[in-house]
Amino acid sequence: AQSVTQLGSHVSVSEGALVLLRCNYSSSVPPYLFWYVQYPNQGLQLLLKYTSAATLVKGINGFEAEFKKSETSFHLTKPSAHMSDAAEYFCAVSRDNFGNEKLTFGTGTRLTIIP
Amino acid sequence: DTGVSQDPRHKITKRGQNVTFRCDPISEHNRLYWYRQTLGQGPEFLTYFQNEAQLEKSRLLSDRFSAERPKGSFSTLEIQRTEQGDSAMYLCASSPGRTLNYGYTFGSGTRLTVV
Repeated sequence: AQSVTQLGSHVSVSEGALVLLRCNYSSSVPPYLFWYVQYPNQGLQLLLKYTSAATLVKGINGFEAEFKKSETSFHLTKPSAHMSDAAEYFCAVSRDNFGNEKLTFGTGTRLTIIP
Repeated sequence: DTGVSQDPRHKITKRGQNVTFRCDPISEHNRLYWYRQTLGQGPEFLTYFQNEAQLEKSRLLSDRFSAERPKGSFSTLEIQRTEQGDSAMYLCASSPGRTLNYGYTFGSGTRLTVV
């Protein structure tokens, strides 16, 4: 079974500061990892995904994440936070089975930006 | 815009009533997923369609739940004899192929409140 753990259900950072959202995964097979963002009363939007190519993945809105197999981590970072980054962020894991590639999500991290 | 559409956006129903939600995926997306998201949690997989075939159902999907995707286009999710525990956001997502290549596109969800 696959799972992800997001450390910190709430994270607050000042505008312009570094954003770091943590995600650790558990998987018995090579994982495929995703970060999604959810704004209030909206669906989820894909930020970036790791699918066994480069370990440093760049996504939209200036976010990036690094896959570290030794640490079973896939933390999300952004060098400088903007007010518009305030949202809920979900890490998810899937596996490549050429069929139902369902996602298993973490419990989410709510990011607050302090002006 | 040809994103994933869900209808209704909000539904309030009395316990014991039946409700039906609709999802219109992006045209030509052959994969369609339903997820459920309760407050403070990440989305949980419910069921998956490849064209009109329902290929997998989660154990979360009790016999009160049924989903269809006639002709491989739109999909409906019906909940019979609703219970308060069914209160959640129901998310639909579609994909043109392998998740690893395309990711999902999520709709904005249907928020169900059972009173």
